[in-house]
Amino acid sequence: ETGVTQTPRHLVMGMTNKKSLKCEQHLGHNAMYWYKQSAKKPLELMFVYSLEERVENNSVPSRFSPECPNSSHLFLHLHTLQPEDSALYLCASSQGFGPSTSYEQYFGPGTRLTVT
Amino acid sequence: AQSVTQLDSHVSVSEGTPVLLRCNYSSSYSPSLFWYVQHPNKGLQLLLKYTSAATLVKGINGFEAEFKKSETSFHLTKPSAHMSDAAEYFCVVKDRGSTLGRLYFGRGTQLTVWP
Repeated sequence: ETGVTQTPRHLVMGMTNKKSLKCEQHLGHNAMYWYKQSAKKPLELMFVYSLEERVENNSVPSRFSPECPNSSHLFLHLHTLQPEDSALYLCASSQGFGPSTSYEQYFGPGTRLTVT
Repeated sequence: AQSVTQLDSHVSVSEGTPVLLRCNYSSSYSPSLFWYVQHPNKGLQLLLKYTSAATLVKGINGFEAEFKKSETSFHLTKPSAHMSDAAEYFCVVKDRGSTLGRLYFGRGTQLTVWP
């Protein structure tokens, strides 16, 4: 295991539902990330947090709302999603963020989201 | 600009035969390159990374990759495939020119290993 856990592992929700994805890292890292992995597309970076402060919002629609209450936990709140939002959502963490090669990212197993 | 091209979307090999997964990169700076592996229902696991030290990088599970600047390539190899190597592999370049150090992922290569 990588030291990054995600819950739930699978989620099915309707377009009018509100749900949240949770990520927890046990590595003592300071940076956390949300990625979207869709079929046949490269991983897309969604959000980056460093020491609980958002440092990147990669043009993500407002129906995705991240929250980072502390350096170990990261949430992704979902509301009024569209079917095209169905994907695997991956959380990652790293010791820090920036161009240093020391900041390797460690990934969780992902949440498989299906929007009906 | 940074980008990664994985030249094969699928590779099939027999168990015990060599593995070659091809990756070409584009980077405006001296690149940092990575290979990640993703097994079914699992997250991405770092196999190895190139950080401008040795051009031949050894990783976990017997994998290695060679950085060739003249060819802008970073191909992943293994001398003898094992059934447990069946997974999806991602070549990744890090944007060392930005404060964020964003990762750029290839589209992945699905490796199938036949018994």
